[in-house]
Amino acid sequence: AQKVTQAQTEISVVEKEDVTLDCVYETRDTTYYLFWYKQPPSGELVFLIRRNSFDEQNEISGRYSWNFQKSTSSFNFTITASQVVDSAVYFCALSGYFYNQGGKLIFGQGTELSVKP
Amino acid sequence: EAQVTQNPRYLITVTGKKLTVTCSQNMNHEYMSWYRQDPGLGLRQIYYSMNVEVTDKGDVPEGYKVSRKEKRNFPLILESPSPNQTSLYFCASSLIDRVDDEQYFGPGTRLTVT
Repeated sequence: AQKVTQAQTEISVVEKEDVTLDCVYETRDTTYYLFWYKQPPSGELVFLIRRNSFDEQNEISGRYSWNFQKSTSSFNFTITASQVVDSAVYFCALSGYFYNQGGKLIFGQGTELSVKP
Repeated sequence: EAQVTQNPRYLITVTGKKLTVTCSQNMNHEYMSWYRQDPGLGLRQIYYSMNVEVTDKGDVPEGYKVSRKEKRNFPLILESPSPNQTSLYFCASSLIDRVDDEQYFGPGTRLTVT
């Protein structure tokens, strides 16, 4: 069975601190996708990144970076120099590679990040 | 503008009163699905549809119905809502020919059943 675990329920940091959100996944598939979504207080889901299981390269986008390690089944997300606007709930998600698996995203429980000024 | 719309955005209702949450997308996507979000559980898939007249159960389908009569619309029906269906609901859509296409999410519908 597929599963995503975000062990950190809540994280609180002070502005400009770096923060890492952990994501550990379980799947028997050899091909799959991993995602991160942001849910700000307004409630919508904002797509941040998608990574397929063939590509273990780390990715950096501005202050955001992602570390994908198949050996530890982890896909961690780091925000550098956090800002108040980063305050949100962040979800890690996993999907199968093919739509015959229902195309569904398996979400973790979410990590609520609070960045204080 | 490419988007997924949901209506209503907020709804308070009473146990047993049938309701429908509408979902519409303007991107000609074949694939549509419904999720519910609950604290500590993340989002879980309720139903999905690969195309018109093709629907299937997700992980938590009990108490819900869906229909896909048109490509753009995928309404979620609660025939007899109960308090345990109080939740935040999201509709999503994407192209089907490549699973790596982004899933577009609607803005969410917050439902309270008293």
